[in-house]
Amino acid sequence: AQKITQTQPGMFVQEKEAVTLDCTYDTSDPSYGLFWYKQPSSGEMIFLIYQGSYDQQNATEGRYSLNFQKARKSANLVISASQLGDSAMYFCAMRVTQGAQKLVFGQGTRLTINP
Amino acid sequence: DAGVIQSPRHEVTEMGQEVTLRCKPISGHDYLFWYRQTMMRGLELLIYFNNNVPIDDSGMPEDRFSAKMPNASFSTLKIQPSEPRDSAVYFCASSLRSLGREQYFGPGTRLTVT
Repeated sequence: AQKITQTQPGMFVQEKEAVTLDCTYDTSDPSYGLFWYKQPSSGEMIFLIYQGSYDQQNATEGRYSLNFQKARKSANLVISASQLGDSAMYFCAMRVTQGAQKLVFGQGTRLTINP
Repeated sequence: DAGVIQSPRHEVTEMGQEVTLRCKPISGHDYLFWYRQTMMRGLELLIYFNNNVPIDDSGMPEDRFSAKMPNASFSTLKIQPSEPRDSAVYFCASSLRSLGREQYFGPGTRLTVT
């Protein structure tokens, strides 16, 4: 069965520092996609970044990058130059292509950026 | 372009009452998903549709829950009868398979059953 594990329930970081949020996954399917979503206190789910299992390079979107280590089955989110507005819950999710469009989410990491 | 629209945003009801949550996906999207978020269980997929047809309802907790998608621009999630343990935030999301990537989430409906 597919599973996403986020081992950091909470993280505290100083503003302007870089932060890495951990995500490991488990699947036997060779084709899959990995996602990160942000959920601020207002509650909406905001898509941040996507990595396909066959992508040769790590995905980047502005200040977000995904450190994809396929052999270790990890897909860590790196936020560079953190800002106060980055304080939120962050969810890692996986889509197993063979299972069509179904997403499996991790439990999330609450990130707090301190001024 | 408008995002995924959900209504109501908040719903408070008494145990035993019927609750209907509504969702309008992004125009042109061919997949629609219903999720439930609770502190204990996190984000769970309840059911999803492709071209208005239910594909996977294995996440629907029990027969009290039902979902329909009568057309490409509208879906409902119904709970009858509601119970306090149904209290959660219910999200609707939509995606376009040809893009193959992210699902776009609605703002959610916060349901409280007393």
